[in-house]
Amino acid sequence: AQSVTQLDSHVSVSEGTPVLLRCNYSSSYSPSLFWYVQHPNKGLQLLLKYTSAATLVKGINGFEAEFKKSETSFHLTKPSAHMSDAAEYFCVVSDRGNTGKLIFGQGTTLQVKP
Amino acid sequence: DGGITQSPKYLFRKEGQNVTLSCEQNLNHDAMYWYRQDPGQGLRLIYYSQIVNDFQKGDIAEGYSVSREKKESFPLTVTSAQKNPTAFYLCASSGQGRSSTDTQYFGPGTRLTVL
Repeated sequence: AQSVTQLDSHVSVSEGTPVLLRCNYSSSYSPSLFWYVQHPNKGLQLLLKYTSAATLVKGINGFEAEFKKSETSFHLTKPSAHMSDAAEYFCVVSDRGNTGKLIFGQGTTLQVKP
Repeated sequence: DGGITQSPKYLFRKEGQNVTLSCEQNLNHDAMYWYRQDPGQGLRLIYYSQIVNDFQKGDIAEGYSVSREKKESFPLTVTSAQKNPTAFYLCASSGQGRSSTDTQYFGPGTRLTVL
C-alpha cells in the first residue's frame, strides 16, 4: 500500500532563508507525488506534482521538489522564504489504480519569522 | 470564474440533526471527492464519485451520505449517526478520477461545528 510520511510537523525559518520540508513515500511502483499548500481556513492549492517525467519539479511561488527514488523522498524546497509562505504544507501520493484517490501526509506547518 | 464552490462557509448543527454541505464545480470535471480534515491531521477521504449517478465509499464513510445527480454537484449529508462531525470539510474535483496522475482541485471548505 502507498503511504507518505512528512518528517517534521513544524518548521520555523527566518524570512529570506531557505525552506526545506521533508517527505518520504512508500510505494511498490512509480508513484505520482504532489505538494499542496493550505492557508488558514482555506482550501488546498497545488504547488507542484511529479508524474515520472523530470525528477526536479518546479512549482508556483518559487517552490521546487526533487524526486529521489533511491531515497524514496520528495522534499520541498525554496531558496528564500517570504512571510506569505507561512502555511500548512501537505505531501501527497496518488493511490495506485483507477480511482484517482490521494493519500495525504500529516502536514507540516511552516512558520516564517521576520 | 472557473472553480469549485462550497457553501456555507460555516455551519452549526445541533446534536441529532442532519445537515447537507454543498459542493458545485464548473470545471467540467467528471470526478468529485469529499474529505474531512481534523486539527493537526491530513485529509481523509469520505466519498468519491467518478461519474454521475455513481459514487464509492472512502476510508471514513460511516455517518455520511452523498448523491451525484448532476455532473456539477456533489452534496454531502452529515447524518446524526456521525459520532464526531465537528471538522473542516473539503470538496475536490479532478478531470476523470481514473488516473494516478490526475490533479485534484479543492474548494474553500466548510467548517462544521456541532453545538
